Amino acid sequence: SQTIHQWPATLVQPVGSPLSLECTVEGTSNPNLYWYRQAAGRGLQLLFYSVGIGQISSEVPQNLSASRPQDRQFILSSKKLLLSDSGFYLCAWSVWTGGHEKLFFGSGTQLSVL
Amino acid sequence: GQQLNQSPQSMFIQEGEDVSMNCTSSSIFNTWLWYKQDPGEGPVLLIALYKAGELTSNGRLTAQFGITRKDSFLNISASIPSDVGIYFCAGLGETSGSRLTFGEGTQLTVNP
Repeated sequence: SQTIHQWPATLVQPVGSPLSLECTVEGTSNPNLYWYRQAAGRGLQLLFYSVGIGQISSEVPQNLSASRPQDRQFILSSKKLLLSDSGFYLCAWSVWTGGHEKLFFGSGTQLSVL
Repeated sequence: GQQLNQSPQSMFIQEGEDVSMNCTSSSIFNTWLWYKQDPGEGPVLLIALYKAGELTSNGRLTAQFGITRKDSFLNISASIPSDVGIYFCAGLGETSGSRLTFGEGTQLTVNP
């Protein structure tokens, strides 16, 4: 069965420090991978998605970047964090079965930038 | 771009009551997904719908894909305290590629 691992679960970082959040998927090949951000009690904002190694699409201009160095690894980074980067970050992967897509989420990383 | 309007924004109900929430879109969707999110966790997929008129159940949960393909609803029967959480709808349209559009969520509170 497929599983998704996301870490760390919580992170407190000072303004101006770098960021690296990692996500890996097991049990599937060539998944579509996604990074979402969620403000407290709000909806999900798509930040990046990737359909393959080295292929990254950005949905919104921002202080963050994403990379996909391996088929099942997706990394969210920043060189210098801003206060506004605080939030709940979710990695997700999708599978197409019978012409239909389903999206599955990791457990999230709560990032606090102070 | 495509937009989803999810309502209500929040609900406060008594244990045992039935719950209904819905999502409407500004354009036709081919897929509707319903998720539940517990505090501090990632959303968990509850029900997936792929055909207009489709009605699917998952235990006490029932969801339907609207005939017009622009709406979907989720019903929860005989609510229990563990139903508390945020429920999200998500849709995939004809022009959105692999990018789901999410509603803003319905915060459900169940009083014992």
